[in-house]
Amino acid sequence: DAGVTQSPTHLIKTRGQQVTLRCSPKSGHDTVSWYQQALGQGPQFIFQYYEEEERQRGNFPDRFSGHQFPNYSSELNVNALLLGDSALYLCASSQGEMNTEAFFGQGTRLTVV
Amino acid sequence: AQSVAQPEDQVNVAEGNPLTVKCTYSVSGNPYLFWYVQYPNRGLQFLLKYITGDNLVKGSYGFEAEFNKSQTSFHLKKPSALVSDSALYFCAVRPLYSGAGSYQLTFGKGTKLSVIP
Repeated sequence: DAGVTQSPTHLIKTRGQQVTLRCSPKSGHDTVSWYQQALGQGPQFIFQYYEEEERQRGNFPDRFSGHQFPNYSSELNVNALLLGDSALYLCASSQGEMNTEAFFGQGTRLTVV
Repeated sequence: AQSVAQPEDQVNVAEGNPLTVKCTYSVSGNPYLFWYVQYPNRGLQFLLKYITGDNLVKGSYGFEAEFNKSQTSFHLKKPSALVSDSALYFCAVRPLYSGAGSYQLTFGKGTKLSVIP
């Protein structure tokens, strides 16, 4: 049983560019949450998707957007990249939007130069 | 707003000794508490959670955590540390009730545990 898978594992982008990160949830899970983990910090909640809708959003600008597909996989899009967007982006999946036990992927390391 | 404090950036312990990683939280109503571990260049691995019931929760790899409502604490413990326990540990909280703003996990900054052989 595959756990949460994220792609790509590493990415380097230039300031001002756009990036798309992808996440496939653990089998049987229908909810996906995205977190940003800056170096030396704990993960910060970006948003959560359930039933293909954004159900909750953290304190992130509109440059951060997402999508959930009918198969429950999800994308995180970041426009107009800033140097400060460099971080590990983590995807977590759970069964139901209550987040009773979230399983995390290995993350995508994004470096903006 | 909910918050988590992990007062120690780093904890050093000798192999075989007991370890404690501290966590205090602030949340509206009853808390739903978690501990996760992160190894270098990896995602987070779930260790244990507290919802209700017994204040001592047992989790993976011999870890346990003690919930103290009056002190709003949820300290992670292990009776005998292993070198392989060396990693970054995160405490997280969310409110137990359902409703807008209740599903997101709020994490502490993490505590680096080093177990010395």
